[in-house]
Amino acid sequence: AQSVTQLDSQVPVFEEAPVELRCNYSSSVSVYLFWYVQYPNQGLQLLLKYLSGSTLVKGINGFEAEFNKSQTSFHLRKPSVHISDTAEYFCAVSGRKLIFGQGTELSVKP
Amino acid sequence: NAGVTQTPKFRVLKTGQSMTLLCAQDMNHEYMYWYRQDPGMGLRLIHYSVGEGTTAKGEVPDGYNVSRLKKQNFLLGLESAAPSQTSVYFCASSWEATGLRNYGYTFGSGTRLTVV
Repeated sequence: AQSVTQLDSQVPVFEEAPVELRCNYSSSVSVYLFWYVQYPNQGLQLLLKYLSGSTLVKGINGFEAEFNKSQTSFHLRKPSVHISDTAEYFCAVSGRKLIFGQGTELSVKP
Repeated sequence: NAGVTQTPKFRVLKTGQSMTLLCAQDMNHEYMYWYRQDPGMGLRLIHYSVGEGTTAKGEVPDGYNVSRLKKQNFLLGLESAAPSQTSVYFCASSWEATGLRNYGYTFGSGTRLTVV
C-alpha cells in the first residue's frame, strides 16, 4: 500500500526567508513523487515531479525537491519565499494510483 | 481548451437528497479519479476508473457510487447525502496510473458541495 505523510500542517515564514516543507512516503512498489500547490479558492497545480535519475528536482516558481530513498523522503525547498507563495502544498505518490498527503499551509508574512 | 470539466461548481443539498457530479475530459485519458478535499486531511481518493466500463474503490468509497459508461465521462453519485459529505470534490484524469506520461494528472476546478 502507498501512503504519504506531510510532517507539518502549517509553516509560517517571513518573506525572503528559506523554507522547507517535509514529506515522507511509504510504498511497496516503485514510486513516483509529486508536489502540487493550491492557491486559495483554486484547483491544483503541479509544482514538480520525481520520476527517476537525479535526486534533485527543480520545479516552477523557484521550488526544488530532493528525493532520498534511504529516508523515504521528498522534501520541498525554496531559498527565498515571496508573499505570493502563500498557499497549501500537497505531496503525492503514484504507483497504481495517486495518493496525497494531508497538506501543508505555507503562510508568508511581510 | 483541453482539460477536465466538472459540473456543477457549487451545490447545496438537504440530508437524504441524491445528486450526481459529472466529470468530463477531452484528452482521451484512460484513467479517471474522484477525490474529496477536507481541511487538514488533504485529498482522499473516493473511486477511480482504469478504463471505460471499469470502476474501483479508493480510500473513502462509502456513501458514493460511480459509473464510467463512456471513456470521457466519470460520474460520482450520492444516493442519500449526509452532512459528512460536505466537501470539495475534485476529478482528475491521466494516461496511466503513474502519471508519468505527457502532463501527468490533470485536475478539474472542483465542486463545492454543502449538505445541510
